[in-house]
Amino acid sequence: DAGVIQSPRHEVTEMGQEVTLRCKPISGHNSLFWYRQTMMRGLELLIYFNNNVPIDDSGMPEDRFSAKMPNASFSTLKIQPSEPRDSAVYFCASRMSTGLSNEKLFFGSGTQLSVL
Amino acid sequence: AQSVTQPDIHITVSEGASLELRCNYSYGATPYLFWYVQSPGQGLQLLLKYFSGDTLVQGIKGFEAEFKRSQSSFNLRKPSVHWSDAAEYFCAVGVRPGGTSYGKLTFGQGTILTVHP
Repeated sequence: DAGVIQSPRHEVTEMGQEVTLRCKPISGHNSLFWYRQTMMRGLELLIYFNNNVPIDDSGMPEDRFSAKMPNASFSTLKIQPSEPRDSAVYFCASRMSTGLSNEKLFFGSGTQLSVL
Repeated sequence: AQSVTQPDIHITVSEGASLELRCNYSYGATPYLFWYVQSPGQGLQLLLKYFSGDTLVQGIKGFEAEFKRSQSSFNLRKPSVHWSDAAEYFCAVGVRPGGTSYGKLTFGQGTILTVHP
């Protein structure tokens, strides 16, 4: 299995531009998570989906952030408009959740976002 | 809500020395506990996890961690550090099934490990 695939690996953009981060979870996994990592705040959960449905988006910082999961094999995290303080590494993770236990969580390699 | 504290932002050890990374959590019940490692430019990799049973958990790469309920701690240890262990380490707490926010992992701030030859 190729693991969780994120694209792009690096994104540099100007303030005000729209940014779209993409994630392909591991085939068969039914839970998908978006995390943001910064030096100041560490790892923060932004949103997670179970069976393509958003379960908890309380970590989404502002209305500028939105996430979708149109099918089991693809998710996007969009920032519109982007701001310099959004610069961070964004991780996507997936796992198989059965409701009986927390299965192993697999992380992608992350997208390094720089907003100038 | 659950929370995790890693008191040490940066630790430096010599190769071959023993290592202990501290982790304290706050949660209303017995949590799921995890340690992840992140090497430069890589995603997070699971080192070990505690769900129930034996409170001393063995993981990959020679790491182990001990769950101490009385201290709300889950410290990570390794008896002899290798240069390749230099990375950032994250402790995380997860909510058990049936609890609110099930599936959510809360991470500590991370501890950067530097290994001197």
